[in-house]
Amino acid sequence: ETGVTQTPRHLVMGMTNKKSLKCEQHLGHNAMYWYKQSAKKPLELMFVYSLEERVENNSVPSRFSPECPNSSHLFLHLHTLQPEDSALYLCASSQDLGGTDTQYFGPGTRLTVL
Amino acid sequence: GENVEQHPSTLSVQEGDSAVIKCTYSDSASNYFPWYKQELGKGPQLIIDIRSNVGEKKDQRIAVTLNKTAKHFSLHITETQPEDSAVYFCDGSSNTGKLIFGQGTTLQVKP
Repeated sequence: ETGVTQTPRHLVMGMTNKKSLKCEQHLGHNAMYWYKQSAKKPLELMFVYSLEERVENNSVPSRFSPECPNSSHLFLHLHTLQPEDSALYLCASSQDLGGTDTQYFGPGTRLTVL
Repeated sequence: GENVEQHPSTLSVQEGDSAVIKCTYSDSASNYFPWYKQELGKGPQLIIDIRSNVGEKKDQRIAVTLNKTAKHFSLHITETQPEDSAVYFCDGSSNTGKLIFGQGTTLQVKP
Protein backbone atom coordinates (compact mmCIF):
# COMPACT_ATOMS: atom_id res chain seq x y z
CA GLU A 1 0.00 0.00 0.00
CA THR A 2 1.79 3.10 1.24
CA GLY A 3 5.15 1.70 2.28
CA VAL A 4 4.38 2.11 5.99
CA THR A 5 3.44 -1.01 7.90
CA GLN A 6 2.20 -1.38 11.45
CA THR A 7 1.89 -4.41 13.70
CA PRO A 8 -0.20 -5.61 15.30
CA ARG A 9 -3.35 -4.37 13.56
CA HIS A 10 -5.46 -5.07 16.65
CA LEU A 11 -4.46 -5.30 20.30
CA VAL A 12 -6.47 -5.93 23.44
CA MET A 13 -4.65 -5.47 26.73
CA GLY A 14 -5.35 -5.17 30.42
CA MET A 15 -4.29 -2.14 32.41
CA THR A 16 -1.36 -4.00 33.98
CA ASN A 17 0.04 -5.40 30.74
CA LYS A 18 3.10 -4.25 28.83
CA LYS A 19 2.95 -4.29 25.05
CA SER A 20 4.68 -2.63 22.10
CA LEU A 21 3.45 -1.28 18.79
CA LYS A 22 5.76 -1.50 15.80
CA CYS A 23 6.01 0.69 12.73
CA GLU A 24 8.26 0.21 9.72
CA GLN A 25 8.67 2.44 6.70
CA HIS A 26 10.21 1.33 3.42
CA LEU A 27 10.33 4.79 1.83
CA GLY A 28 13.74 6.05 2.92
CA HIS A 29 12.16 8.87 4.90
CA ASN A 30 13.94 10.79 7.64
CA ALA A 31 10.99 11.69 9.87
CA MET A 32 8.51 9.44 11.66
CA TYR A 33 5.47 10.21 13.78
CA TRP A 34 3.04 8.63 16.23
CA TYR A 35 -0.58 9.83 16.27
CA LYS A 36 -3.52 8.89 18.45
CA GLN A 37 -6.91 8.92 16.74
CA SER A 38 -10.05 8.77 18.83
CA ALA A 39 -13.62 9.83 18.21
CA LYS A 40 -13.28 12.90 20.40
CA LYS A 41 -9.89 14.18 19.18
CA PRO A 42 -8.99 13.04 15.68
CA LEU A 43 -5.30 12.91 14.77
CA GLU A 44 -3.55 13.97 17.97
CA LEU A 45 0.19 14.19 17.37
CA MET A 46 2.07 12.31 20.08
CA PHE A 47 5.74 12.05 19.12
CA VAL A 48 8.00 13.19 16.29
CA TYR A 49 11.37 11.72 15.36
CA SER A 50 13.83 13.15 12.87
CA LEU A 51 16.93 11.16 11.96
CA GLU A 52 16.28 8.93 14.99
CA GLU A 53 16.20 11.87 17.41
CA ARG A 54 12.99 12.75 19.24
CA VAL A 55 12.14 16.32 18.40
CA GLU A 56 8.64 16.65 19.80
CA ASN A 57 6.67 15.20 22.69
CA ASN A 58 3.20 16.68 22.90
CA SER A 59 2.62 16.31 26.64
CA VAL A 60 2.09 12.60 26.32
CA PRO A 61 1.80 10.62 29.59
CA SER A 62 4.86 8.60 30.54
CA ARG A 63 2.91 5.34 30.19
CA PHE A 64 3.62 5.80 26.45
CA SER A 65 7.31 5.42 25.63
CA PRO A 66 8.57 5.78 22.04
CA GLU A 67 11.72 4.26 20.62
CA CYS A 68 13.39 4.85 17.27
CA PRO A 69 16.34 2.44 16.85
CA ASN A 70 16.95 3.45 13.22
CA SER A 71 15.37 5.60 10.56
CA SER A 72 13.13 2.79 9.32
CA HIS A 73 11.63 1.60 12.58
CA LEU A 74 9.55 3.21 15.28
CA PHE A 75 8.11 1.60 18.38
CA LEU A 76 5.58 2.69 20.96
CA HIS A 77 5.95 0.88 24.27
CA LEU A 78 2.83 0.72 26.39
CA HIS A 79 2.52 0.01 30.12
CA THR A 80 -0.15 0.49 32.77
CA LEU A 81 -2.55 2.04 30.30
CA GLN A 82 -6.01 3.35 31.11
CA PRO A 83 -9.30 2.57 29.36
CA GLU A 84 -9.33 6.10 27.91
CA ASP A 85 -6.16 5.19 26.01
CA SER A 86 -8.25 2.94 23.77
CA ALA A 87 -7.94 4.38 20.28
CA LEU A 88 -6.42 3.90 16.83
CA TYR A 89 -2.67 4.53 16.91
CA LEU A 90 -1.28 5.68 13.59
CA CYS A 91 2.31 5.82 12.50
CA ALA A 92 3.42 8.11 9.67
CA SER A 93 6.60 9.11 7.91
CA SER A 94 7.72 11.98 5.70
CA GLN A 95 10.82 12.73 3.72
CA ASP A 96 11.96 15.38 6.16
CA LEU A 97 10.72 17.05 9.29
CA GLY A 98 8.33 19.91 9.10
CA GLY A 99 5.06 20.84 7.56
CA THR A 100 6.03 20.94 3.92
CA ASP A 101 6.21 17.25 3.06
CA THR A 102 3.45 14.73 2.50
CA GLN A 103 2.92 12.34 5.38
CA TYR A 104 2.52 8.66 4.58
CA PHE A 105 0.39 6.82 7.11
CA GLY A 106 0.30 3.19 8.09
CA PRO A 107 -3.00 1.35 8.57
CA GLY A 108 -2.93 1.83 12.33
CA THR A 109 -3.19 -0.39 15.39
CA ARG A 110 -6.64 -0.55 16.99
CA LEU A 111 -5.94 -0.67 20.75
CA THR A 112 -8.49 -1.65 23.35
CA VAL A 113 -7.60 -1.31 27.03
CA LEU A 114 -9.81 -3.31 29.36
CA GLY B 1 -1.10 29.41 19.14
CA GLU B 2 -1.53 28.08 15.66
CA ASN B 3 -4.70 26.17 14.85
CA VAL B 4 -6.70 24.83 11.95
CA GLU B 5 -10.49 24.86 11.81
CA GLN B 6 -12.27 22.46 9.45
CA HIS B 7 -15.95 22.61 8.46
CA PRO B 8 -18.35 20.96 8.24
CA SER B 9 -17.78 18.03 10.58
CA THR B 10 -20.28 15.92 8.64
CA LEU B 11 -21.54 16.25 5.09
CA SER B 12 -24.15 14.19 3.29
CA VAL B 13 -24.72 14.56 -0.46
CA GLN B 14 -26.53 12.69 -3.20
CA GLU B 15 -24.44 10.80 -5.71
CA GLY B 16 -23.53 13.12 -8.55
CA ASP B 17 -23.68 16.28 -6.46
CA SER B 18 -20.66 18.34 -5.44
CA ALA B 19 -19.08 18.46 -1.98
CA VAL B 20 -17.02 21.27 -0.50
CA ILE B 21 -14.97 21.16 2.69
CA LYS B 22 -13.24 24.24 4.04
CA CYS B 23 -10.32 24.81 6.37
CA THR B 24 -9.07 28.03 7.91
CA TYR B 25 -5.63 28.40 9.45
CA SER B 26 -3.96 30.98 11.62
CA ASP B 27 -0.23 30.57 10.95
CA SER B 28 0.79 32.96 8.18
CA ALA B 29 3.98 30.89 7.74
CA SER B 30 1.98 27.92 6.43
CA ASN B 31 2.79 27.27 2.79
CA TYR B 32 1.81 23.66 2.12
CA PHE B 33 -1.80 22.51 2.22
CA PRO B 34 -2.52 18.82 1.67
CA TRP B 35 -5.82 17.00 1.94
CA TYR B 36 -6.02 13.42 3.19
CA LYS B 37 -8.75 10.83 2.77
CA GLN B 38 -9.25 8.14 5.39
CA GLU B 39 -11.35 5.13 4.46
CA LEU B 40 -12.69 2.73 7.05
CA GLY B 41 -9.97 0.56 8.53
CA LYS B 42 -7.15 2.44 6.84
CA GLY B 43 -4.78 5.27 7.61
CA PRO B 44 -5.19 8.68 5.94
CA GLN B 45 -3.87 8.93 2.39
CA LEU B 46 -2.94 12.05 0.45
CA ILE B 47 -5.41 12.87 -2.31
CA ILE B 48 -4.34 16.34 -3.37
CA ASP B 49 -2.12 19.16 -2.17
CA ILE B 50 -1.32 22.76 -3.01
CA ARG B 51 1.53 25.08 -2.24
CA SER B 52 1.20 28.75 -1.50
CA ASN B 53 2.48 29.95 -4.84
CA VAL B 54 -0.69 28.83 -6.64
CA GLY B 55 -4.36 29.51 -6.03
CA GLU B 56 -5.95 26.36 -7.42
CA LYS B 57 -5.05 22.82 -8.35
CA LYS B 58 -7.23 20.21 -9.97
CA ASP B 59 -6.95 16.45 -10.41
CA GLN B 60 -9.91 14.92 -12.26
CA ARG B 61 -12.93 15.24 -9.94
CA ILE B 62 -11.11 16.82 -7.02
CA ALA B 63 -9.70 20.31 -6.69
CA VAL B 64 -8.21 22.45 -3.98
CA THR B 65 -8.39 26.24 -3.82
CA LEU B 66 -6.27 28.49 -1.64
CA ASN B 67 -6.90 32.03 -0.44
CA LYS B 68 -3.78 33.13 1.41
CA THR B 69 -5.16 36.56 2.21
CA ALA B 70 -8.16 35.10 3.99
CA LYS B 71 -6.13 32.12 5.26
CA HIS B 72 -8.44 29.43 4.05
CA PHE B 73 -8.31 26.55 1.61
CA SER B 74 -11.05 24.27 0.35
CA LEU B 75 -11.48 20.79 -1.09
CA HIS B 76 -13.96 20.44 -3.92
CA ILE B 77 -15.26 17.07 -5.10
CA THR B 78 -17.49 17.08 -8.18
CA GLU B 79 -19.74 14.30 -9.48
CA THR B 80 -19.48 12.50 -6.15
CA GLN B 81 -19.60 8.71 -6.08
CA PRO B 82 -20.29 6.29 -3.22
CA GLU B 83 -16.59 5.45 -3.03
CA ASP B 84 -15.90 9.07 -2.09
CA SER B 85 -17.54 8.32 1.28
CA ALA B 86 -14.77 8.66 3.87
CA VAL B 87 -13.29 11.03 6.44
CA TYR B 88 -11.32 13.93 4.99
CA PHE B 89 -8.61 15.85 6.85
CA CYS B 90 -6.91 19.09 5.96
CA ASP B 91 -3.39 19.89 7.12
CA GLY B 92 -2.37 23.47 7.79
CA SER B 93 1.12 22.75 9.08
CA SER B 94 3.69 25.49 8.81
CA ASN B 95 7.25 25.24 7.59
CA THR B 96 8.41 25.93 11.13
CA GLY B 97 7.59 22.30 11.81
CA LYS B 98 4.30 22.67 13.63
CA LEU B 99 2.01 19.88 12.47
CA ILE B 100 -1.68 20.73 12.65
CA PHE B 101 -4.55 18.71 11.20
CA GLY B 102 -8.14 19.79 10.98
CA GLN B 103 -10.80 17.99 12.99
CA GLY B 104 -11.97 15.93 10.02
CA THR B 105 -15.12 15.83 7.86
CA THR B 106 -17.16 12.68 7.47
CA LEU B 107 -18.54 12.67 3.92
CA GLN B 108 -21.43 10.39 3.07
CA VAL B 109 -22.44 10.01 -0.57
CA LYS B 110 -25.90 8.52 -0.90
CA PRO B 111 -26.50 6.38 -3.99
